[in-house]
Amino acid sequence: QVQLVQSGAEVRKPGTSVKISCETSGYRFTDFYVHWVRQAPGQGLQWMGLIKPSGGGTAYADNFHGRVAMTRDTSTRTVYLELTNLTSDDTAVYYCAKDWCSTGCFRGMAVWGKGTTVIVSS
Amino acid sequence: IQVTQSPSSLSASVGDRVTITCRASVDISSYLNWYQQKPGEPPKLLISDASNLKTGVPSRFSGGGSGTDFTFTINSLQPEDVGTYFCQQYDNLPITFGQGTRLEIK
Repeated sequence: QVQLVQSGAEVRKPGTSVKISCETSGYRFTDFYVHWVRQAPGQGLQWMGLIKPSGGGTAYADNFHGRVAMTRDTSTRTVYLELTNLTSDDTAVYYCAKDWCSTGCFRGMAVWGKGTTVIVSS
Repeated sequence: IQVTQSPSSLSASVGDRVTITCRASVDISSYLNWYQQKPGEPPKLLISDASNLKTGVPSRFSGGGSGTDFTFTINSLQPEDVGTYFCQQYDNLPITFGQGTRLEIK
């Protein structure tokens, strides 16, 4: 079955960076976009961007002002999220999620990872 | 595209009919999904394309609407339906979510 397995919780100091991984299985990796969505404590869902595993193309939400980078490794079927220049406002659970629209389109998040908690604190 | 969801919280009794609405800032056709999130879990996709119930989702859940106004309905609320519900538009990037509706049982 389709699975997305995320890396473990991280604690970072303000001004540093974090890189989270999301290992996928159970489907053709290059056929489906992968989204990253975060959720601050007690808050709603915020879409961060998506990556197209076939060619590595990306689309990011504007409000991260160049601090976000999404990459992928097709040999390990893994996608990565890196967020730089962290502040306390970046404390959140970060989810990767597979789209259900195949080959060059986006619709929404059909299958989600369990989430990675990132805490930013001095 | 902004998506305004209401109400932000809701309390209802078992067996009640519950309705949540989402309004998009522009015409998004039927490009709207609904998710359920239970505490400590990732969201779960319930309905795609405004009204398409996903496989395995109980038939008491339904969605409707198009253009700018959408509804999500639970017929005969069950205790396991407690959680937070989100709408999400995909007419254009960036993908945006409604603010969420927290549903509890009276």
